[in-house]
Amino acid sequence: GGIITQTPKFLIGQEGQKLTLKCQQNFNHDTMYWYRQDSGKGLRLIYYSITENDLQKGDLSEGYDASREKKSSFSLTVTSAQKNEMAVFLCASSIRENTLYFGAGTRLSVL
Amino acid sequence: GDSVTQTEGLVTLTEGLPVMLNCTYQSTYSPFLFWYVQHLNEAPKLLLKSFTDNKRPEHQGFHATLHKSSSSFHLQKSSAQLSDSALYYCALSDSGGSNYKLTFGKGTLLTVTP
Repeated sequence: GGIITQTPKFLIGQEGQKLTLKCQQNFNHDTMYWYRQDSGKGLRLIYYSITENDLQKGDLSEGYDASREKKSSFSLTVTSAQKNEMAVFLCASSIRENTLYFGAGTRLSVL
Repeated sequence: GDSVTQTEGLVTLTEGLPVMLNCTYQSTYSPFLFWYVQHLNEAPKLLLKSFTDNKRPEHQGFHATLHKSSSSFHLQKSSAQLSDSALYYCALSDSGGSNYKLTFGKGTLLTVTP
């Protein structure tokens, strides 16, 4: 079996700050995803990547950048943190059949 | 575009009673449907996935039937257990378009009480 590791687990930032979240997977999956989880709003797709160096925007990409320099890693950058923002960011990977394997999440709080 | 609707945000049940969580969808093509479950402080994980040959998927006592006529994929279990308390997401993958993307519903929080 494999595992998805997200770092950090908790991230506290300041308003306007650029913040980077990292994700590593050892499944050898081609496709990786970043979802944002907000209570009552479900999981919303921010970015996904079909293969190394590929980036595809999801429904919630504004305010975020992503990078996929290696097959095993996928990072997400919040370009300017919003005051009082609180959310959980979930990284996932999959093979083409679309069973997603999720990481435990990064919990973001902005002061 | 694709969408998934879960009408109940919160469902509270007494242990032993049947579970039914609603999921309806809109899709341009013939989609695959999924149920993911997330227990407290854990990552979401796959619970069920629809089959292309209309078989009914089952796992851990849960089952769901894809009804194309009503665009539904409701999750059911005959008898709720305390350990079933979790957040349940219905999701859709569009087989005809970009099938790399899963569209999730807003989730249903199931609480099972003694």
